[in-house]
Amino acid sequence: ELKVEQNPLFLSMQEGKNYTIYCNYSTTSDRLYWYRQDPGKSLESLFVLLSNGAVKQEGRLMASLDTKARLSTLHITAAVHDLSATYFCAVGGGSNYKLTFGKGTLLTVNP
Amino acid sequence: DAGVTQSPTHLIKTRGQQVTLRCSPKSGHDTVSWYQQALGQGPQFIFQYYEEEERQRGNFPDRFSGHQFPNYSSELNVNALLLGDSALYLCASSFGYGYTFGSGTRLTVV
Repeated sequence: ELKVEQNPLFLSMQEGKNYTIYCNYSTTSDRLYWYRQDPGKSLESLFVLLSNGAVKQEGRLMASLDTKARLSTLHITAAVHDLSATYFCAVGGGSNYKLTFGKGTLLTVNP
Repeated sequence: DAGVTQSPTHLIKTRGQQVTLRCSPKSGHDTVSWYQQALGQGPQFIFQYYEEEERQRGNFPDRFSGHQFPNYSSELNVNALLLGDSALYLCASSFGYGYTFGSGTRLTVV
């Protein structure tokens, strides 16, 4: 059974600092997704990574995928308060139609 | 372009009752998946519907059932509600590998 592990689960950062969230998964999969969720809200799609070595960037967030290591990272550059949210990675694809989510990383950016 | 629409947004039910949640997919999407998200947890896959058939099911009891209509909209039914069914229920529509999530239905069982 596919397992998705995120770490850290809780992250408190100062504005202006850099940090990385890690997402490990247990079996080979075609696709890796990153989502953002604000309290009481739905999931906002950030990135979809489809191949080994894929790197995508949007603003202060950059995601990468290493399928051989079964690892994806979400790097935050020069954090700002507006990035405070819970970030989820999810794995899916191939004959597996469902998305399997990690437990999420609660990010708090302090002034 | 309307995204995924879910109704109702909030619902309070009593243990043992039945509930129906509704989802209208994003325009152009033909597949609907349902997820349950308990407080402080990641979403858990309930099932996925495609061409009006259940294509894949997660580890949820038979009390959870669904339906997809010819216009691709979908319903999630939960019978004999338990306190543990209290959660945010998310609908996601897709076409290919891109998923769009709705705002969810917050179900509280008392």
